[in-house]
This record gives sequence, C-alpha cells and structure tokens, in this order.
Amino acid sequence: GESVGLHLPTLSVQEGDNSIINCAYSNSASDYFIWYKQESGKGPQFIIDIRSNMDKRQGQRVTVLLNKTVKHLSLQIAATQPGDSAVYFCAERKEAGNMLTFGGGTRLMVKP
Amino acid sequence: DTGVSQDPRHKITKRGQNVTFRCDPISEHNRLYWYRQTLGQGPEFLTYFQNEAQLEKSRLLSDRFSAERPKGSFSTLEIQRTEQGDSAMYLCASSPGRADGYTFGSGTRLTVV
Repeated sequence: GESVGLHLPTLSVQEGDNSIINCAYSNSASDYFIWYKQESGKGPQFIIDIRSNMDKRQGQRVTVLLNKTVKHLSLQIAATQPGDSAVYFCAERKEAGNMLTFGGGTRLMVKP
Repeated sequence: DTGVSQDPRHKITKRGQNVTFRCDPISEHNRLYWYRQTLGQGPEFLTYFQNEAQLEKSRLLSDRFSAERPKGSFSTLEIQRTEQGDSAMYLCASSPGRADGYTFGSGTRLTVV
C-alpha cells in the first residue's frame, strides 16, 4: 500500500511504553485543536480534541496538553501498542474560522 | 456504514483528461470540506460548503478545479485538464455545523500519468 509521510520525523517506542508526540501550532488566534491518526492508504482518524479554554483533556489511553503561551500541543499515548503505529497530525482551527490547518505530522513506530 | 464515503478510492488518468470525485458526508452533517494531501505532508484545505453554498475556497483551488454540492448532501470535485502536479490524495470531511468533530473519508488517490 501507499506510504503516508515518507520523510516525516519518527518516534520509535517499545510496546507498553508511553509515547509523547509534540506539535507547534502557528496561530495564536486558534481556538480548537485536533489530533488525527493516519494509517497508510486511509484518511485521518479523529483521536482527541481540545478547545483553547482548556489546557488538558483525557481520553481512553490518550491525553492532549495545550500550552497557549508557547503555542504547543502534545499527544500522550499510554501503554503504546503495535496498533498505534501510524502518522499523527495535529490540526488547528482559527477562531471564527471553519477549516483546519494541519501540522507536518510525526510517524510513530512501535517495536514489539 | 455511516461514515464519510468517497468514490473512487483510486483513479489513474492521463495528463489532460478530466476527472470527477464524489463525497457522501455523514447524513446529519451540514458542513463539507475538501482537502488535498501529498506524500509526506498534512492535508491542505481546498474548499468548504455549508449546505449547498460554497463559502470558502483556497488559493490552491485553481480555475481547473470546481466543486459542487447541489442539494446540500453529496459533493463532487472535478479537475479539468489534469496535470502531473495534481497527483495527490483528495480527502473529504464533514462536520455538524461549526461544532467539534471533523470526520474524514478514506480519500481518493489520484495519479496523473
């Protein structure tokens, strides 16, 4: 199948370890942020989102942290599994805007 | 399956030909978006519909590109006189108003030879 992200930054972790994927966003006026997971040949899959009035949000095995002071977003995956291997993108939406602007993506490789 | 559907999944065309892609959004979503993704990059916004109205268009959407959503349900994206630089994954997404939760389809992979 096709490969998403041939030359992306890569994070390699051992199965069972925690993963942290970072993203620097561009617009201080952005009010909404989403993390997506993308596997080869598939569209982006929603993982977790956060609004700008929050600094942390937790889901099942995932946590998103937002630091508006330095315009930084992170995705933490607990107990990383082989099925988590994919390319991860952060996306931001400007306040009063409609479309998402995506970051460059990080490839996560999970070693069994 | 109640997700976003895109057709076809793959399209190979010769340079200069016209191609058309279809997107069926989640039925209760009134907003529909088209994005383009090239290898190694995140998706880039092309255009956005609210119901049948096309409200935003990116500078990436040249005159050779046209998108429609005639009844506020499915949408089509047509590329005329395709060029090799048009080769990419074309993604459709939908959302329920400006609320959270943009859901993407699996995309149409276009290869122009």
